[in-house]
Amino acid sequence: KNEVEQSPQNLTAQEGEFITINCSYSVGISALHWLQQHPGGGIVSLFMLSSGKKKHGRLIATINIQEKHSSLHITASHPRDSAVYICAVRVRGGADGLTFGKGTHLIIQP
Amino acid sequence: NAGVMQNPRHLVRRRGQEARLRCSPMKGHSHVYWYRQLPEEGLKFMVYLQKENIIDESGMPKERFSAEFPKEGPSILRIQQVVRGDSAAYFCASSSQGMNTEAFFGQGTRLTVV
Repeated sequence: KNEVEQSPQNLTAQEGEFITINCSYSVGISALHWLQQHPGGGIVSLFMLSSGKKKHGRLIATINIQEKHSSLHITASHPRDSAVYICAVRVRGGADGLTFGKGTHLIIQP
Repeated sequence: NAGVMQNPRHLVRRRGQEARLRCSPMKGHSHVYWYRQLPEEGLKFMVYLQKENIIDESGMPKERFSAEFPKEGPSILRIQQVVRGDSAAYFCASSSQGMNTEAFFGQGTRLTVV
């Protein structure tokens, strides 16, 4: 079982819909990152969380440390939000790098 | 995000050749991480370096792969005697204080071994 699980794996929605992507992890962590990757493109860091909630524009990220769960929300979704969204954690006591989920492929249709 | 510079963006090598991938971290960042993304797979940690030191190479294949981050110049990921299975996207990330702070990623180098 992967240490980081994301759901859904694939998500297609209509423009304007509210989007939620979930991330669950099975290990102790010191930080959780949400990343965005466009096809053939680089990786953009969206959020780094260790507790609570962060908001940037139409994006909101929350984390519940007790439940080992994080969510990424997109409000008023737009076709340009179409990308792969990746959850990654810094495992407490583990390797210094990040451990990644497999990503959620999001398509927003006009 | 554009501050982490990787080059080349695309690299084609024949089996048995050497591949050198370069990463210049964001200004002021002394922590560099290399990750590999195999086709249809998720990202995997390879190595973590600070200036002139390898801190954690637990994700690095034991043979043919090496990394350095010299006092001057970019970090280099070197793959000797490449094989087809090395074909992947290699991403570099930098941060100011490790992965408990925000990480900035480069655009990646897409290595194709023919």
